[in-house]
Amino acid sequence: QSALTQPASVSGSPGQSITISCTGTSSDVGGYNYVSWYQQHPGKAPKLMIYEVSNRPSGVSNRFSGSKSGNTASLTISGLQAEDEADYYCSSYTSSSTPWVFGGGTKLTVL
Amino acid sequence: EVQLVESGGGLVQPGGSLRLSCAASGFTFSSYWMSWVRQAPGKGLEWVANIKQDGSEKYYVDSVKGRFTISRDNAKNSLYLQMNSLRAEDTAVYYCARDNDHWGQGTLVTVSS
Repeated sequence: QSALTQPASVSGSPGQSITISCTGTSSDVGGYNYVSWYQQHPGKAPKLMIYEVSNRPSGVSNRFSGSKSGNTASLTISGLQAEDEADYYCSSYTSSSTPWVFGGGTKLTVL
Repeated sequence: EVQLVESGGGLVQPGGSLRLSCAASGFTFSSYWMSWVRQAPGKGLEWVANIKQDGSEKYYVDSVKGRFTISRDNAKNSLYLQMNSLRAEDTAVYYCARDNDHWGQGTLVTVSS
């Protein structure tokens, strides 16, 4: 069982917007602004899409945005494109003995 | 360009040992925390361990404490993961990551008799 809870799957049509949630506790997501989001295509390494809740690394499309409210972080992808179809993982710093935790992952299907 | 290249994976019997290496280039290795993250076949990501820039602090996920040891050689721009007493549940692709922002392509570790 993952420390952070994500929906197993989400879907959307090209051009639409979708949001993926990542729910933790006050010991991780809610307590720190160190939430990251990763995109992973099959057989590939994860790629950082959002760091520190809402920051985009250089080269990442501005169609990707992050936010946080309480113990839940969210990744929003606007203007869905076929290449956005992938698995998405959130991660957070945590005050537990294991300093970093991941969500279970969300499979995004572009219809 | 940041490059991280893992090596050392393979097939090992339960109870055996393996040492993973990660060769870093394209950035000042000694300035960054480094991590190992793994992914079991068809499963999600699991953070395994990380190490501070000078090696003075190391952290591990509970399931590998006492069995795995993370280390680094800043002179060689290399990160290591010594894995002992391996179990079937350690079977995974192991990724080396720079401060959780850049990742290598991974190396597969299979623990099976």
